[in-house]
Amino acid sequence: DSGVTQTPKHLITATGQRVTLRCSPRSGDLSVYWYQQSLDQGLQFLIQYYNGEERAKGNILERFSAQQFPDLHSELNLSSLELGDSALYFCASNLGNSPNTEAFFGQGTRLTVV
Amino acid sequence: GENVEQHPSTLSVQEGDSAVIKCTYSDSASNYFPWYKQELGKGPQLIIDIRSNVGEKKDQRIAVTLNKTAKHFSLHITETQPEDSAVYFCAASNPGANSKLTFGKGITLSVRP
Repeated sequence: DSGVTQTPKHLITATGQRVTLRCSPRSGDLSVYWYQQSLDQGLQFLIQYYNGEERAKGNILERFSAQQFPDLHSELNLSSLELGDSALYFCASNLGNSPNTEAFFGQGTRLTVV
Repeated sequence: GENVEQHPSTLSVQEGDSAVIKCTYSDSASNYFPWYKQELGKGPQLIIDIRSNVGEKKDQRIAVTLNKTAKHFSLHITETQPEDSAVYFCAASNPGANSKLTFGKGITLSVRP
């Protein structure tokens, strides 16, 4: 158990809909990272939050947004969903403000858009 | 931006043999190179990492080597066991305010009993 909790584990929704994925980081970790994993693209970095502030941005679509709350949990919002958004979404956390130390991954949320 | 490539995409070895997975990266400023193992239905887990000031690092049956000049690094697993079967990801990140961890596409390692 990595200590990172993601909910829900599975999500099935229709095109055009909006969903929210939730992540609780390891106790004490200040950074949260979101990744998208698809079969053909591997693990793609989406966005990082550190202590409530956005710190780094990757290949995140404008239809996607995230935030980190004062209790350090994070939510990833995906809107106007398309079939191609079907993927595994992982959250990871670590103590510092940089990805240059071990990150602990949750078990992921499998999103299926139909 | 950084580009990390892994070769091969699949690898099958006999139990007890060694396995070597290679990665190349493009950004010469990258200074942190972790390897993650992902088992079926789970999130990736760090197995070993290396920084650019070190050429080799070993942890029991696992070792990583880094060649900064050629911009490639490799994972070596000796005495492979069936439980080593998983997807392995290499990654690279650069220092600085906007550092990001860029992953390779992963390699599926199968260890035949």
